[in-house]
Amino acid sequence: KNEVEQSPQNLTAQEGEFITINCSYSVGISALHWLQQHPGGGIVSLFMLSSGKKKHGRLIATINIQEKHSSLHITASHPRDSAVYICAVKLGSNYKLTFGKGTLLTVNP
Amino acid sequence: DTAVSQTPKYLVTQMGNDKSIKCEQNLGHDTMYWYKQDSKKFLKIMFSYNNKELIINETVPNRFSPKSPDKAHLNLHINSLELGDSAVYFCASSQARLANTGELFFGEGSRLTVL
Repeated sequence: KNEVEQSPQNLTAQEGEFITINCSYSVGISALHWLQQHPGGGIVSLFMLSSGKKKHGRLIATINIQEKHSSLHITASHPRDSAVYICAVKLGSNYKLTFGKGTLLTVNP
Repeated sequence: DTAVSQTPKYLVTQMGNDKSIKCEQNLGHDTMYWYKQDSKKFLKIMFSYNNKELIINETVPNRFSPKSPDKAHLNLHINSLELGDSAVYFCASSQARLANTGELFFGEGSRLTVL
């Protein structure tokens, strides 16, 4: 079992739908990152959070420290949101980031 | 201006060769990283430098040697390349020392193919 689990692995949606991607981790963390990797390969940091909720445009990230769970939501999804979304955490006293395997999102027009 | 730039973007080489990938950041960050993304798209940390000092050195074959001439540059040299080294290598930087409080900025990746 991976220390960082993402679900679903693959997600196909129609344009306009509300999207939720989940990330669960096994031990306490100090911060969680959400990253976006486009088909061209580049990686962009979307959010870094350690508590509560952050919003940027149509993207919302939440984290529940007690439940060891984070969600990334996309409102009014668009085909340009099609990408791999990756969750990464610093686990417990481990000093490096551990990555989830990513969620491949495809938004069809 | 590209914040984190890597060269080359693509590299095709034969087994046994030695190659280098260069990375530069113009963000004034203190910490730089090398990540490897395998064929299954799984990212793993390889090395991290903070102000030219090595702070993370994962279980990576010693054929891989990072070099940081200054805090804006972190190069990756690979000796005696093997087929399993084929991957995309990402450079990244952050202001925070251990990437747990600072946003990460990634380069565009360098796709290495070993034949």
